[in-house]
Amino acid sequence: EAGVTQSPTHLIKTRGQQATLRCSPISGHTSVYWYQQALGLGLQFLLWYDEGEERNRGNFPPRFSGRQFPNYSSELNVNALELEDSALYLCASSLNYDGYTFGSGTRLTVV
Amino acid sequence: GIQVEQSPPDLILQEGANSTLRCNFSDSVNNLQWFHQNPWGQLINLFYIPSGTKQNGRLSATTVATERYSLLYISSSQTTDSGVYFCAVPYGNKLVFGAGTILRVKS
Repeated sequence: EAGVTQSPTHLIKTRGQQATLRCSPISGHTSVYWYQQALGLGLQFLLWYDEGEERNRGNFPPRFSGRQFPNYSSELNVNALELEDSALYLCASSLNYDGYTFGSGTRLTVV
Repeated sequence: GIQVEQSPPDLILQEGANSTLRCNFSDSVNNLQWFHQNPWGQLINLFYIPSGTKQNGRLSATTVATERYSLLYISSSQTTDSGVYFCAVPYGNKLVFGAGTILRVKS
């Protein structure tokens, strides 16, 4: 069984640009979660998508947004990038909001 | 919201030593997971343990849900055990993480 896959592995963007990160959940999992882990900090909840709808979001500005596609894959968009958006972005999927499995992450660097 | 606290924050071990990591949580939960984050950032699921004890090789975990804590035991530590260990609980339709324990195993 394929795990949660994320792309790209690394992403370098200039301040003010937009970044798009992608996540494919485990087959059969309908929920996708996005987390941000800034350097030296813990994992902060960003967004939760389930059945194509945004169900919950963490304490992040509206420039963080995303969507979930009919095949349950998900995209995280970060607009108007700021230097402090540099972080590891982790995606997780789950079935029935129980056990969570994480992908390998996308490391975003804003210069 | 729920508070998840881990201790100790940092731990340095000599290869071959044993250790115990603790996770306390402030409210009743249906589940608890332990993760190991390797130096490349990947979060690897170690245990899915709402209650009781589970073992996987040199690692074992115990959750006492009624007393709101969980323990992760690492025996005969190896350098590859180095990294950050997180516990996390599902709460409010998301996974809430502790701040982690940074483990360094020296050869």
